[in-house]
Amino acid sequence: EAGVVQSPRYKIIEKKQPVAFWCNPISGHNTLYWYLQNLGQGPELLIRYENEEAVDDSQLPKDRFSAERLKGVDSTLKIQPAELGDSAVYLCASSPGAGELFFGEGSRLTVL
Amino acid sequence: AQRVTQPEKLLSVFKGAPVELKCNYSYSGSPELFWYVQYSRQRLQLLLRHISRESIKGFTADLNKGETSFHLKKPFAQEEDSAMYYCALKGRGGGNKLTFGTGTQLKVEL
Repeated sequence: EAGVVQSPRYKIIEKKQPVAFWCNPISGHNTLYWYLQNLGQGPELLIRYENEEAVDDSQLPKDRFSAERLKGVDSTLKIQPAELGDSAVYLCASSPGAGELFFGEGSRLTVL
Repeated sequence: AQRVTQPEKLLSVFKGAPVELKCNYSYSGSPELFWYVQYSRQRLQLLLRHISRESIKGFTADLNKGETSFHLKKPFAQEEDSAMYYCALKGRGGGNKLTFGTGTQLKVEL
């Protein structure tokens, strides 16, 4: 069974440029999460989707970050414009509802 | 608010020695606690959850509500246990929001 797929794995951009990350969850998983992981820290929730609906986006910096989950399957997370402090790993996870989260390998962003 | 504290950034033990990774939490209700693990070059994955009350790869963790702790233990460390371990909390009634600690790097030396 394919796991959670994220793309790109690595991205290097200059500050003020836009960047987008894509996530394909495990088939049938209604809940999708985007987490931010800074170096030496645990994952921090950015946004959680139940199907197409963003049910928890309180930690998403809405001035520069946006996310969408069209048709309740794939999701994209966008940053525009990127800042130096956005350098981190962006993790996508999915779950069939309550219970275990299945994580992707992450997208590592470096902003120069 | 829910919070998870892992006081040790790095724990180094010798092979065969006992291991205890500490986790304390702050939550006003009745939480669900988890341990996630990330081996080198692998994705973050669930190790165990307190409601299962099972031993995974020799690891156990008991929820102590009095001390608000969920320490991860293993009697005899193995080299393959070297990894990053994250304690996580899900508050009941708060949907599926999972709050992670900062993680503890376990290094098992020969």
